[in-house]
Amino acid sequence: GENVEQHPSTLSVQEGDSAVIKCTYSDSASNYFPWYKQELGKRPQLIIDIRSNVGEKKDQRIAVTLNKTAKHFSLHITETQPEDSAVYFCAATEEADKLIFGTGTRLQVFP
Amino acid sequence: EPEVTQTPSHQVTQMGQEVILRCVPISNHLYFYWYRQILGQKVEFLVSFYNNEISEKSEIFDDQFSVERPDGSNFTLKIRSTKLEDSAMYFCASLQGRGEQFFGPGTRLTVL
Repeated sequence: GENVEQHPSTLSVQEGDSAVIKCTYSDSASNYFPWYKQELGKRPQLIIDIRSNVGEKKDQRIAVTLNKTAKHFSLHITETQPEDSAVYFCAATEEADKLIFGTGTRLQVFP
Repeated sequence: EPEVTQTPSHQVTQMGQEVILRCVPISNHLYFYWYRQILGQKVEFLVSFYNNEISEKSEIFDDQFSVERPDGSNFTLKIRSTKLEDSAMYFCASLQGRGEQFFGPGTRLTVL
């Protein structure tokens, strides 16, 4: 089955800096890769996703890149703000299948 | 905007008791899921449900667990005889057909 690894487990950046979180997956059948943001005690909320037929996707300060050959994908947050502080989870799946989550990255943005 | 809802928000129970966690998925969604998250850990898949039957279950989802969609709107997770290690946040999620799985706010289950 699918296995997703995520690094780093914690990331501290200064406000305005960029943050990069990396994930690798094992199952070449996976074709949908969402990123979720989870604030303390809250539900995971989708911030961006990418499908396997696309190499990069951007939404304002957030971008995701996918390398299908190497089976890795990354989240890039530019111009970080204190409200970006949260736990970020990557996930991999075939469409409509169960999400397999990474272990999470705790991002702290210091003002 | 439609949302997945879950009740209760917090359930405290004694070990060995039965609990039922309830979810109302988004109305036109076809796929339903339960996940759990032990405090400080990642979100783990429990079970998926489509076309009124379980489509997949994880090894966590043993004989103590069951799911039902009794009335076309509610989606329930039952744990027959709770154990201390069942203490976790349980999330319901629903999916229309492809793309984003929408998560409910979760039920925090505490087993004493």
